[in-house]
Amino acid sequence: QVQLQESGPGLVKPSQTLSLTCTVSGGSISSGSYYWSWIRQPAGKGLEWIGRIYTSGSTNYNPSLKSRVTISVDTSKNQFSLKLSSVTAADTAVYYCARYTQDSSSWYNAFDIWGQGTMVTVSS
Amino acid sequence: AIQMTQSPSSLSASVGDRVTITCRASQGIRNDLGWYQQKPGKAPKLLIYAASSLQSGVPSRFSGSGSGTDFTLTISSLQPEDFATYYCLQDYNYPPTFGQGTKLEIK
Repeated sequence: QVQLQESGPGLVKPSQTLSLTCTVSGGSISSGSYYWSWIRQPAGKGLEWIGRIYTSGSTNYNPSLKSRVTISVDTSKNQFSLKLSSVTAADTAVYYCARYTQDSSSWYNAFDIWGQGTMVTVSS
Repeated sequence: AIQMTQSPSSLSASVGDRVTITCRASQGIRNDLGWYQQKPGKAPKLLIYAASSLQSGVPSRFSGSGSGTDFTLTISSLQPEDFATYYCLQDYNYPPTFGQGTKLEIK
């Protein structure tokens, strides 16, 4: 079965760029009607969708973060990545990667597989 | 962005109780709504998609209903493993937005 695993630094200094990678195992990142997404959750708070990428390379970003976010995909490594620039303490959160499956014929549109999450702290 | 409002924000209930959580969208979203369960320290888990379709492997005591702006998640008979936080999510348009969560606690 497909599994996702986030990796990257757990501590980032203010004004620097947060970089995370999500490795997909048990299946090809290029197959199927999947969008590969990033979602974050500050401690004790709710979930915020950051953005997504299709294997074609097309992206969508949350307008609230769009100026600072870049999501890319490396199909040869079966990975996709998140970069968030000019971070502040408000970006401290658990970051999840997730697969969004879109199947209009069956109305199956959902974040059906998630990574375990990785905590990123922004602090000097 | 579409605002998703869940109620209640927290709920105390006992094993065996029937529980209902509601989610209201700030505009119509057809049935483009999912329900997710999150336990402490864990990633969210998909329970319901398309407002009322049960994800494979999810117990049948979970059910969803609604369309347009008003949706409900019902747990017919609470089990100990159901105590968690529940989130609704609209994916009708971008950006997808979550409700603020409903924390279900043991009474």
